[in-house]
Amino acid sequence: GQQVMQIPQYQHVQEGEDFTTYCNSSTTLSNIQWYKQRPGGHPVFLIQLVKSGEVKKQKRLTFQFGEAKKNSSLHITATQTTDVGTYFCAGPPNAGGTSYGKLTFGQGTILTVHP
Amino acid sequence: NAGVTQTPKFRVLKTGQSMTLLCAQDMNHEYMYWYRQDPGMGLRLIHYSVGEGTTAKGEVPDGYNVSRLKKQNFLLGLESAAPSQTSVYFCASRLPHLNQPQHFGDGTRLSIL
Repeated sequence: GQQVMQIPQYQHVQEGEDFTTYCNSSTTLSNIQWYKQRPGGHPVFLIQLVKSGEVKKQKRLTFQFGEAKKNSSLHITATQTTDVGTYFCAGPPNAGGTSYGKLTFGQGTILTVHP
Repeated sequence: NAGVTQTPKFRVLKTGQSMTLLCAQDMNHEYMYWYRQDPGMGLRLIHYSVGEGTTAKGEVPDGYNVSRLKKQNFLLGLESAAPSQTSVYFCASRLPHLNQPQHFGDGTRLSIL
């Protein structure tokens, strides 16, 4: 079945440093979603990418979808302590057809920011 | 507007006991999902429902049952709890339209002794 892999599993940065997490799917994705989970919290939707090569920005966060629609990345510029948490990518399990909104999640990247 | 509400928030069970986790959403969402989250493994789909009266198996359905008698509620049952079911359980819901996000509840932390 489809696999979604994320690297790195952990990332420790000093406040102000940049951070990037990478997501790779074993199959072509129709779209990819990113979620953030604060420690002790629940996943919260950040953004969705649909088009090949798409780039979207949310303030200090930049999201990219690969040309082949099999990989994606999230880059945070000048991290802040509020960025602490686990970042997940997720994609539909089926390249085509109906997935009923199901998502296959990557393992997540746990980001720690030291002040 | 509460969104997605899960009860209980915490529970400790003994092996072999049964229990039901309740998920309620007030957003009129058609689709609902139950996930379990274990360290280093992300979120894995247990069961899901695409509407009232319908359920389907996800990636890790063994040992769990679900029911969706009302559109707003999605119940997850453990008939005979096992230590391997110790986990954090999340419920999520979403609209059926294309490219919609999932909305998650706060989770239920379940320990099986």
